Amino acid sequence: GAGVSQTPSNKVTEKGKYVELRCDPISGHTALYWYRQSLGQGPEFLIYFQGTGAADDSGLPNDRFFAVRPEGSVSTLKIQRTERGDSAMYLCASSFRPNTEAFFGQGTRLTVV
Amino acid sequence: SQQGEEDPQALSIQEGENATMNCSYKTSINNLQWYRQNSGRGLVHLILIRSNEREKHSGRLRVTLDTSKKSSSLLITASRAADTASYFCATLEPIYGKLTFGQGTILTVHP
Repeated sequence: GAGVSQTPSNKVTEKGKYVELRCDPISGHTALYWYRQSLGQGPEFLIYFQGTGAADDSGLPNDRFFAVRPEGSVSTLKIQRTERGDSAMYLCASSFRPNTEAFFGQGTRLTVV
Repeated sequence: SQQGEEDPQALSIQEGENATMNCSYKTSINNLQWYRQNSGRGLVHLILIRSNEREKHSGRLRVTLDTSKKSSSLLITASRAADTASYFCATLEPIYGKLTFGQGTILTVHP
């Protein structure tokens, strides 16, 4: 596609539920990043994929968070047993190579009630 | 954890004035990138400067990088009301390609 696509754009879920957030990177981009952003803060790094593998998952806050990229393209961020503190904007970005410009999607705003 | 720290946290200027934002970071980098964000949605890439570059221009944007001081600055010349946004610097680690953002500068340009 023309840009990074994230779905859904908004997600409201109940505390304790499981959610999946999807990211479609720009075709041909090998690097993919997930970030979480709270209001008034900068994007907080969660995980970085190079191809199919997670090159760095040091930003995942706990084991309730997991992300996959099985074919080296689309990625899914999975959050189990959601908590109200998980409410944030979740941003995905991709780049052609790790040392080139990263392009962001419009984000998924997750609200846990 | 955040790598870059932007300064100032907020900047308010009149249309036509120049806006300067600064970014400091802590570790070695492959490159440094500047982004703009409107209304809390996706970030828009503005400019990338590599660790072996000292200055780069793109339209009304001028970016400098001083690796000895671990700092960068973004200058927006002849600002417009449409430049009102949050601006973030992000540093790319040399080995793993982890891109880490600062807290951002909120720029308000008054017409």
